[in-house]
Amino acid sequence: AQSVTQLDSHVSVSEGTPVLLRCNYSSSYSPSLFWYVQHPNKGLQLLLKYTSAATLVKGINGFEAEFKKSETSFHLTKPSAHMSDAAEYFCVVSDQGSGTYKYIFGTGTRLKVLA
Amino acid sequence: NAGVTQTPKFQVLKTGQSMTLQCAQDMNHNSMYWYRQDPGMGLRLIYYSASEGTTDKGEVPNGYNVSRLNKREFSLRLESAAPSQTSVYFCASTTRGGYSNQPQHFGDGTRLSIL
Repeated sequence: AQSVTQLDSHVSVSEGTPVLLRCNYSSSYSPSLFWYVQHPNKGLQLLLKYTSAATLVKGINGFEAEFKKSETSFHLTKPSAHMSDAAEYFCVVSDQGSGTYKYIFGTGTRLKVLA
Repeated sequence: NAGVTQTPKFQVLKTGQSMTLQCAQDMNHNSMYWYRQDPGMGLRLIYYSASEGTTDKGEVPNGYNVSRLNKREFSLRLESAAPSQTSVYFCASTTRGGYSNQPQHFGDGTRLSIL
């Protein structure tokens, strides 16, 4: 069965410092993994996706994530936080070929960026 | 590019009233989804439609019905609204969930309050 655990519900960083948002997953098949960002009162926007190609995935706005199968992790990072990065972030897993048509969401990590 | 369009954006209902949330996508996607988002719980799947003509229950279907009107449109109906259904509702679509590595595309949400 699929599952996703976002290890931190809230993360605070200072502007200009690195960001690390942690995600662990469980999958019975070959997973696709995604990170989405949600700004207040907005829908979810795709940041990046892993789909069995390169394990280091680059996304929009300077974010990247590394797929580590041995650790079943897909952590999101950014070298230098910007005020505009303050938002909620969701890690999502989908099993390719499982036929379930479902995407499993983590409970979200709210990122706060301090001036 | 419209993407996924949800209407209405906001709605206030009284307990026992009914209403239909509309969703339309213009990306020729096969699969469509309805989620609800509640604080601290991420997104939970209400119903999904793997392809035109099919619908299936998700994690929290009680109190809801859906109709896949055609390939573009997927509506969510609350027959007798209850305060527990106060939430933000998101519609999403994707090329072919479960068999592809494509991400979901989300609408901006419908904020529903039930008094």
